Formats: sequence, C-alpha cells, structure tokens
Amino acid sequence: NAGVTQTPKFRILKIGQSMTLQCTQDMNHNYMYWYRQDPGMGLKLIYYSVGAGITDKGEVPNGYNVSRSTTEDFPLRLELAAPSQTSVYFCASSRTKPPGTQYFGPGTRLLVL
Amino acid sequence: GQQLNQSPQSMFIQEGEDVSMNCTSSSIFNTWLWYKQDPGEGPVLLIALYKAGELTSNGRLTAQFGITRKDSFLNISASIPSDVGIYFCAGQLQTLISNDYKLSFGAGTTVTVRA
Repeated sequence: NAGVTQTPKFRILKIGQSMTLQCTQDMNHNYMYWYRQDPGMGLKLIYYSVGAGITDKGEVPNGYNVSRSTTEDFPLRLELAAPSQTSVYFCASSRTKPPGTQYFGPGTRLLVL
Repeated sequence: GQQLNQSPQSMFIQEGEDVSMNCTSSSIFNTWLWYKQDPGEGPVLLIALYKAGELTSNGRLTAQFGITRKDSFLNISASIPSDVGIYFCAGQLQTLISNDYKLSFGAGTTVTVRA
C-alpha cells in the first residue's frame, strides 16, 4: 500500500538551479495536485491535473511547470530556483474532484540558497 | 483566494482533556474538511462536512459545520499523546458554473500534549 510517494525528501538548491520533484501514486486516481506549505500558512495549490495529458494552474503557479504523461506520475519542475521557493511541497491525489478525499504524499522539503 | 482564520494557532493540553479549535471564513463554503498532519508526514483527512449544521464524529473527534456556512469547529475528547500534530481546516466553495479545484486551507493549529 504505497499510496502517494514523493522524491526526494529533502533538497538544497542554489539560486538559478533547476530540479524536478517526483510524485507517483498507485491508486489509479485521475486527479493529482501539487501544494506548497510555507511556515505558518495554509497549503497553497500550485498545479493540478484531472487526468493524463491534462493540467491546469492553481493559486500560485509562477516559477513552476508540470506534466502528466501517465496516470501514475505528476512531476513538478522548478526551472530557475529562487529563495521564495523555499518551502515544503506536497503532492496529492484523489479519485474524484474536490472535495473528494485527497491522499497526500510525505512531502519534499526544499531549501533554496 | 478565500481567507481562512484558524484558532488557536497552538495549544498545550493535558492528557485526558477535551479541546476545541475553530476555523472561520470570509466567504460561504459548501464543504468543510479537517486534516491532521503528523511530523514529517503529509496531511490526512479526518472528517468531511457537507451540510450546514452537520455534526460528524470520527472516534474521539467531532466536527461541526456552522449554520452560517462561514465556520467550522473540531473537538477532540479525552486527549492522548498520539493527538500531537497540526490540525488544518479546509473549505471549498462550489458553484454550478465553476470548476474550482482549489481548497482553501487554514494555517493550522499545533497541538502538543503534556503527558
């Protein structure tokens, strides 16, 4: 019962570097989401996907890109890392659209210096 | 986005105590959700509320959907050490013409239990 898995767990980036945060779910969910969690703040939606090949912007998409080539995978790409992108990133999936139950991964902690 | 105010920000509670936390919104929601996040983990859904006035329990947890549709409450009865964590409220407003996939989250209430 893997559920939603995320890699890496922790990463330090230098300003201007790029990286991809990986997310995989094994529940055959159509809906997938990327959130960021900043200290003392609620989760903010970055991007979401309603199925393979379909993605759309959430509340805070600037500086990020996503793709959804398969049902299972929903990677998040940071092209030019900035200190403002220091955060904890959570991937989630759901069988139905919100407010259907979203299952979250364990998170990726990213530090941009 | 919608603004959710969650209070208190943190609480220290004695094992065995009952505790309450609440969430208020500047907008009307059709759905209220309560999540718990353990250290180093992602949030896990505890309770979902879909109707104004609804009162729903999950073990020692009870949540209510406020009748104004702008607030929700979560109660934990007889606290135990494993209740430690961060509790988040989230709300969603759905309309017939909107495909809004965004949940609005509160900033969380951090619960620490004194044994």
